[in-house]
Amino acid sequence: DTAVSQTPKYLVTQMGNDKSIKCEQNLGHDTMYWYKQDSKKFLKIMFSYNNKELIINETVPNRFSPKSPDKAHLNLHINSLELGDSAVYFCASSNEGDTIYFGEGSWLTVV
Amino acid sequence: GNSVTQMEGPVTLSEEAFLTINCTYTATGYPSLFWYVQYPGEGLQLLLKATKADDKGSNKGFEATYRKETTSFHLEKGSVQVSDSAVYFCALSPAYLYSTLTFGKGTMLLVSP
Repeated sequence: DTAVSQTPKYLVTQMGNDKSIKCEQNLGHDTMYWYKQDSKKFLKIMFSYNNKELIINETVPNRFSPKSPDKAHLNLHINSLELGDSAVYFCASSNEGDTIYFGEGSWLTVV
Repeated sequence: GNSVTQMEGPVTLSEEAFLTINCTYTATGYPSLFWYVQYPGEGLQLLLKATKADDKGSNKGFEATYRKETTSFHLEKGSVQVSDSAVYFCALSPAYLYSTLTFGKGTMLLVSP
């Protein structure tokens, strides 16, 4: 009964590959997010969706493409992976203006 | 723009010591303020929050008071435990539509027995 769940938790892949991270929330929230945590632990917003509509896209390379099939899911697809994409990616959700709840993170390593 | 500044870590304490992690912010209007905690190898968990000036958030023995006059939201705990070892993030959410969290850089806390 995890509130925000994302898969996979760990992903090791080669440069140039395409990969996806899936996220689902069962909290009934209308807004979902992707955050990136770099090797120095710094967290930054990547995308925000409200009711399946893209609201925020924070200067993220277009190799990153979020997709929201419904308001409970927000998947992240990454094309042509680069070494610098290695990070922890956090999915999160909230109701508008309310507290944001995070998933457990997906540790991506590009080799 | 919005920003959050936290004290640099790591903060190293002995068990039962008093903890303060400083956090100051810059934002327009009246943001909500949060502390999140990340235990080793785990995701982010909300620790506490405050939504208006002079509010005190508290949870698991941790407290933080929203101080508008000093734009601060310092985290305190009277007696830390080894299990409190983690990275603590201060964050703000501006009070406008479709706002997201702006995080500080995180402060690692190491508690030894």
